[in-house]
Amino acid sequence: EVVLTQSPATLSLSPGERATLSCTARQSVCSCLAWYQQKPGQAPRLLIYDTSKRATGIPARFSGSGSGTDFTLTISSLEPEDFAVYYCQQRKTFGGGTKVEI
Amino acid sequence: EVQLVESGGGLVQPGESLRLSCAASGFTFSSFWMAWVRQAPGKGLEWVANIRQDGSNKYYMDSVEGPFTISRDNAKNSLYLQMNSLRAEDTAVYYCARVSPEGLKEAYDIWGQGTMVTVSS
Repeated sequence: EVVLTQSPATLSLSPGERATLSCTARQSVCSCLAWYQQKPGQAPRLLIYDTSKRATGIPARFSGSGSGTDFTLTISSLEPEDFAVYYCQQRKTFGGGTKVEI
Repeated sequence: EVQLVESGGGLVQPGESLRLSCAASGFTFSSFWMAWVRQAPGKGLEWVANIRQDGSNKYYMDSVEGPFTISRDNAKNSLYLQMNSLRAEDTAVYYCARVSPEGLKEAYDIWGQGTMVTVSS
């Protein structure tokens, strides 16, 4: 069973700062890792798929990287609208989420 | 506009049944794998089930296999989730999601707004 652990649970940053979110798998997983953003009361939105490919309409400040068991979502310079919860996903498994707060 | 709209949620007692629906528009529904994903209040996302384009293959998370049935009607551009023997732990917002046609086809690129299911006596 694939288990995805996201860290940190909460990331406290200011607009303009760089955010680095981690997703670690208990065992090596495929490069089909995806990242989602979710704001309160809204559905998740796909940001990144296949580890590093940006979904349609996603700004270039969002980037993904990694392989094997360690994956990273980077937001190069936080905009006010980026404060949200982020989830990683590999096939049928989601991580527990990282909240990016001001 | 590509859109998914869920309906059918509500308050039910433990042991009762509920059928969720998801109406798709703006894309060729019959060409895509579809899925249900849920989120308990204040918790993370949890995959529930998915279904192949023609309905020939269906997969479920362990705890719902048996009580839940995913189905689709391509003529009506609709996805369904029949939920029987509901338990308190099934309380969640249920999202309908489209499996992305891009790349390795494992991500969910379109999501509905969700429908709330509450199981309580």
